[in-house]
Amino acid sequence: AQSVTQPDIHITVSEGASLELRCNYSYGATPYLFWYVQSPGQGLQLLLKYFSGDTLVQGIKGFEAEFKRSQSSFNLRKPSVHWSDAAEYFCAVGGGNAGNMLTFGGGTRLMVKP
Amino acid sequence: GAGVSQSPSNKVTEKGKDVELRCDPISGHTALYWYRQRLGQGLEFLIYFQGNSAPDKSGLPSDRFSAERTGESVSTLTIQRTQQEDSAVYLCASSRGFQETQYFGPGTRLLVL
Repeated sequence: AQSVTQPDIHITVSEGASLELRCNYSYGATPYLFWYVQSPGQGLQLLLKYFSGDTLVQGIKGFEAEFKRSQSSFNLRKPSVHWSDAAEYFCAVGGGNAGNMLTFGGGTRLMVKP
Repeated sequence: GAGVSQSPSNKVTEKGKDVELRCDPISGHTALYWYRQRLGQGLEFLIYFQGNSAPDKSGLPSDRFSAERTGESVSTLTIQRTQQEDSAVYLCASSRGFQETQYFGPGTRLLVL
């Protein structure tokens, strides 16, 4: 069965600092990988996705993620965090033999210090 | 419409009552999904509709949960005889087709007293 682990439940960074959110997955085939962001009281917004091709994926709001098959990871990065980035971030895996359902990690709550 | 919409946005009910949650997908999206998000947790898949195919119900937690979809439009998730552990945010998503990006609605926050 597929699974996603986000090891960090909470992360606090200073505004302007760099950010890396970790995501590890378990999947029996080539995965489709996603990062979503959820702001308070809002629905999930897609930040970026990896289906195939270039392993470094660019997303919205200055985010990027790198697919590393050897490490079963898909970490999310941003070089300079803004206060508006404070939210909960979810990594998800889907596709292939699992059909169309997405399996989500438990989420990482990001807080940004001024 | 411009995005996935869900109604109601909030629902408070008493234990044992039935509830219906509605989802309007993005126009033209053939696939529709329901997920549940318990407080402080990630999303759990519930059910998936693709066109006129039989739905994938593998994520439904019990037979108290059911969902319907009329063609490629509105879907209704029904929870019968609600229990306190059903309290969660229920999220709907739609996509253009199989293994396409899923776009999420704002969710319905259900509280069972």
